[in-house]
Amino acid sequence: GAVVSQHPSWVICKSGTSVKIECRSLDFQATTMFWYRQFPKQSLMLMATSNEGSKATYEQGVEKDKFLINHASLTLSTLTVTSAHPEDSSFYICSARALGHHAKNIQYFGAGTRLSVL
Amino acid sequence: KNEVEQSPQNLTAQEGEFITINCSYSVGISALHWLQQHPGGGIVSLFMLSSGKKKHGRLIATINIQEKHSSLHITASHPRDSAVYICAVRVQGAQKLVFGQGTRLTINP
Repeated sequence: GAVVSQHPSWVICKSGTSVKIECRSLDFQATTMFWYRQFPKQSLMLMATSNEGSKATYEQGVEKDKFLINHASLTLSTLTVTSAHPEDSSFYICSARALGHHAKNIQYFGAGTRLSVL
Repeated sequence: KNEVEQSPQNLTAQEGEFITINCSYSVGISALHWLQQHPGGGIVSLFMLSSGKKKHGRLIATINIQEKHSSLHITASHPRDSAVYICAVRVQGAQKLVFGQGTRLTINP
């Protein structure tokens, strides 16, 4: 089945540093990628939607200058948490929607990245 | 009130039991997903439904569009089925998914 690879799976960083998370669709082309954030025992919260080659659409309350999203190709999107602070510590999950009528509208999820900011 | 409501929130059962998790939604949808999230966090897409019923191994998912309701069933449950099961809908005309709060399932041996 389709695979979405997310890297790194776990990162610890100092407050004030930036962290980049990569999301790759390994065996399919993804026109749209989604970035989610999940707090403990809560459901996924959509942060932004990115379409290949265009600017990401951020959800209300999500700072676009803090959470930089780049979707430069049909197989790669990155989320950069800039000047991270302890309150940014969370579980970040990416998802990719497959291109192609046979897989239309199916979203595949990455394994997630656990970010801990000290 | 959330657009997507799941019940129960927590479910504990013995190995071998038949499990049902319910999902109700209040908006028009183009598709409904059932997702599984294990303790490590990774999410697996189990089903995508727009009508009827789908079966994969011991898992069965049904949807009733008129009643705006879906169910996920697990037959012959096993401890490895222990996970959080999440219902998510794609609202008509939108790209994004709206998630239920999840059902935490624990299967005891």
